[in-house]
Amino acid sequence: GAVVSQHPSWVICKSGTSVKIECRSLDFQATTMFWYRQFPKQSLMLMATSNEGSKATYEQGVEKDKFLINHASLTLSTLTVTSAHPEDSSFYICSADSGGYSNQPQHFGDGTRLSIL
Amino acid sequence: AQSVTQPDIHITVSEGASLELRCNYSYGATPYLFWYVQSPGQGLQLLLKYFSGDTLVQGIKGFEAEFKRSQSSFNLRKPSVHWSDAAEYFCAVGGNKAAGNKLTFGGGTRVLVKP
Repeated sequence: GAVVSQHPSWVICKSGTSVKIECRSLDFQATTMFWYRQFPKQSLMLMATSNEGSKATYEQGVEKDKFLINHASLTLSTLTVTSAHPEDSSFYICSADSGGYSNQPQHFGDGTRLSIL
Repeated sequence: AQSVTQPDIHITVSEGASLELRCNYSYGATPYLFWYVQSPGQGLQLLLKYFSGDTLVQGIKGFEAEFKRSQSSFNLRKPSVHWSDAAEYFCAVGGNKAAGNKLTFGGGTRVLVKP
C-alpha cells in the first residue's frame, strides 16, 4: 500500500519548452504533496508544498512563476517547469503525505529526470 | 529551524564488514527522525524511523539506528554489509505536524561496497 507514482520518469526537451510532471497517490488520498529537486550527488531540497484545492507554498528562493504547481484532486499534483532552460535540468521527486494512512509521514515517487538541451 | 548534518560524504566498506553512518540533527523539540536509502536514479525508500519510545530502532534490510538525545545523533548501523547496500543514504528530521509535515534532509552519504 501507499504507492506514489510519478510520471514521466525521464524527459528530454528543447530549451524554452514547458514540461509537466505528474505525481499520483495510487491507493490513498493525499491532501498534501511535496516537490523536491535534487542536483547530481546532492541532497533533496524542498521546492514547495502542494495543498489540494489551494495555492502551493513555495520555499524561499523558488520561483513560483517558473515552477507551477497544481493540486486539483486528492490523488494528483502536477509540477510544470515553464520555459525550461538547461539550468533547470535536475532530478525532481514528489512525495505524498499519507495523512495517517500508513506509519510513514511521506511516500516518495521514483523521481523524474529532466534534461533540457 | 531544523537541520541535519551527515559528516561523511563517502564511505567505502568491504562486503561483510560493519557499517555506521553518522547523522546529527538540530531541532527545537523532540524530533521525528528517519533514514532513507536511494539507489541511482530512483526515489527514496524508508529504512527506519524514530518517533518515540525505544531509542534503538530496527529497520528493513538489517539496518538499525540509535537515537541519542544528549548527542543530537541518530546513527545508522548494519553489522554486515552486502554488495546491494551500495547506495546513497539520507538522514532526515521532521515529518510531524509541528514541522508542517516537512522533512529536512541531510546532505547524504554515498556508500561504496568493495568485494
